[in-house]
Amino acid sequence: QLVESGGGLVQPGGSLRLSCAASGFTVSSNFMSWVRQPPGKGLEWVSKIYNEGSRYYADSVRGRFTVSRDISENTLYLQMNSLRPEDTAVYYCARDQSWSRFGPDWGRGTLVSVAS
Amino acid sequence: QTVVTQEPSLSVSPGGTVTLTCGLSSGSVSSSSYPSWYQQTPGQSPRTLIYTTNTRSSGVPNRFSGSILGNKAALTITGAQADDESDYYCALYVGSAIWMFGGGTRLTVL
Repeated sequence: QLVESGGGLVQPGGSLRLSCAASGFTVSSNFMSWVRQPPGKGLEWVSKIYNEGSRYYADSVRGRFTVSRDISENTLYLQMNSLRPEDTAVYYCARDQSWSRFGPDWGRGTLVSVAS
Repeated sequence: QTVVTQEPSLSVSPGGTVTLTCGLSSGSVSSSSYPSWYQQTPGQSPRTLIYTTNTRSSGVPNRFSGSILGNKAALTITGAQADDESDYYCALYVGSAIWMFGGGTRLTVL
């Protein structure tokens, strides 16, 4: 099971950290992803972290977002800095069975709104 | 700027067959694009249907199948049912550790 939290309303230029708490498996042993969906729009890949620790980002967030994980908390994080209105979206975390796909396990998402 | 293309909307009759496609604005889709497909109903999280072109995720009915058709990835639904009415997204690995989703296809069953 995956449960996201940490979303909310933030001003442009602000920061937010999303959490994805996992149960039933070990985050650090799995490929994990963040995928977002702006209101009324389609899915967009944000970030992926491999089981061995490599991290990858979409061009739209590289340099502003950082994915990490906490072994003791068994939690995936997404630190989001320099937020822009276009970052407004529901953010989903997913446990990926391999590097080449998303899921099959998905969280329910957390809404991030960037507005003044 | 690479864009993953999908039909914005399609319709199918109950019991009918429909094929959704997933292409690249520049270039062809192949198995090396590792195409995958996701189903999403309004207000719900995505559900993984197909990965690595044609492998069904656990629990996905065999009326869903994936393939490469010409220069595109394809998702075919054979014997469509009312609860197949959803948004469908494809995702492609476009290289250099970059993955991209298509804009989605809204499938209506009527």
